[in-house]
This record gives sequence, C-alpha cells and structure tokens, in this order.
Amino acid sequence: AQSVTQLDSQVPVFEEAPVELRCNYSSSVSVYLFWYVQYPNQGLQLLLKYLSGSTLVKGINGFEAEFNKSQTSFHLRKPSVHISDTAEYFCAVSGTSSGGYNKLIFGAGTRLAVHP
Amino acid sequence: EPEVTQTPSHQVTQMGQEVILRCVPISNHLYFYWYRQILGQKVEFLVSFYNNEISEKSEIFDDQFSVERPDGSNFTLKIRSTKLEDSAMYFCASRVGTEAFFGQGTRLTVV
Repeated sequence: AQSVTQLDSQVPVFEEAPVELRCNYSSSVSVYLFWYVQYPNQGLQLLLKYLSGSTLVKGINGFEAEFNKSQTSFHLRKPSVHISDTAEYFCAVSGTSSGGYNKLIFGAGTRLAVHP
Repeated sequence: EPEVTQTPSHQVTQMGQEVILRCVPISNHLYFYWYRQILGQKVEFLVSFYNNEISEKSEIFDDQFSVERPDGSNFTLKIRSTKLEDSAMYFCASRVGTEAFFGQGTRLTVV
C-alpha cells in the first residue's frame, strides 16, 4: 500500500519569492510520483511526473520537483512565483505494476497563497 | 486538446434519491476512474474500470455505488440512495500510459 504526506497545509509567499512544497511518500513497491494543481472551482491538472531516470523533473508553469529515493520525498519548487500560482497543489503516487490501471493516492494538499 | 467532460457541474439532491453522474473520457483512453473530494479533504479513489469491468474499488465504493460504460463513450457513476455524507466533488479521470486526465468535477450536494 502507498501513502502520501504533504507536510504543509498552507504556504503563504510573496510574489517573485521562491517556494517549496514538501511531499513524502511511503510504499513497499516502486512508484511513480506526480504533482497536480487545482485552481479554484476547477479540476486537477498535471504539473509534472517522475517515472524513472533523472531525479529532477521539470513541469509546466516553471515548476520542478526532485525525487529523492533515500528520503522518500518529491518536493515541488518554483524559483519565482506569480499571483496566478495561487491554487491547491496535490502530490500523488501510483504503483508501477504492468496492469496499467493503477490508482492515484493523493496527499491532503497544500494551499499556496501568493501575495503581492 | 482532448479533455474529460463531466455533467452536470453541480447537482443538488434529496437524501435517499438516486443520482447519476456522467463523464465522457478521452476517446482513445482505456482506463477510467472515479475519485471524490469531500470539502476541505483529500482526493480519494473510488473505483477503476477497464475492459468493461471494475478492476479495483475502495472501501468507500459500497453496494450503493455502481459504474457503467453503457455506450462506449459515456462512463457513469450511480449512487442508489444518497446520504448526507455523499456530498462531495466527484472527479472522473481517464488514463493512457502513466498520465491520468481529470474532468472538471461534479459537485454533489445532498440535502
């Protein structure tokens, strides 16, 4: 079984400042890792994913995340945030079995609030 | 760009009534899912569907819930007798490869 812990429920930050949203996972099997963003009253949009290979993955809107297997972490970062980045961010994990229908297990979410 | 479409966007129903939430997944996707998000809480897996049958379901997905893909394009979630605690945002997702695409959600309010 897998689980995801997002360490911060809310992160306030000023515009143009850097931000890190923390995510730790637990799993007894190999995993794929994802970050999704949810803007107010909208669905979930994929920001980035880690499947294999380079531990630093880049996504949309200038976000990147680093997979750290020894620390079982997948923290999301952006060097300079904009007001438009205000949203809820969800870290998620799925197993890598070949069945193809692996479900996503989500963390509780981190609300990023960017202030002018 | 292809997208997952859900209808209605908001549904209000009385406790004990049946509701059907509808989804049109992306056309070449093979795996379909329903998730729900109770207000202020995490997104929770309900059920996955592949090859016209349920491949996995969570403890939440009890006998009151059912899914169908009646015509090769729609994917529906039925709740037979709604309870107050079924009030949530319900998300449909479809998947090809490793990426799941989510719809905008249906907000279900049970009164």
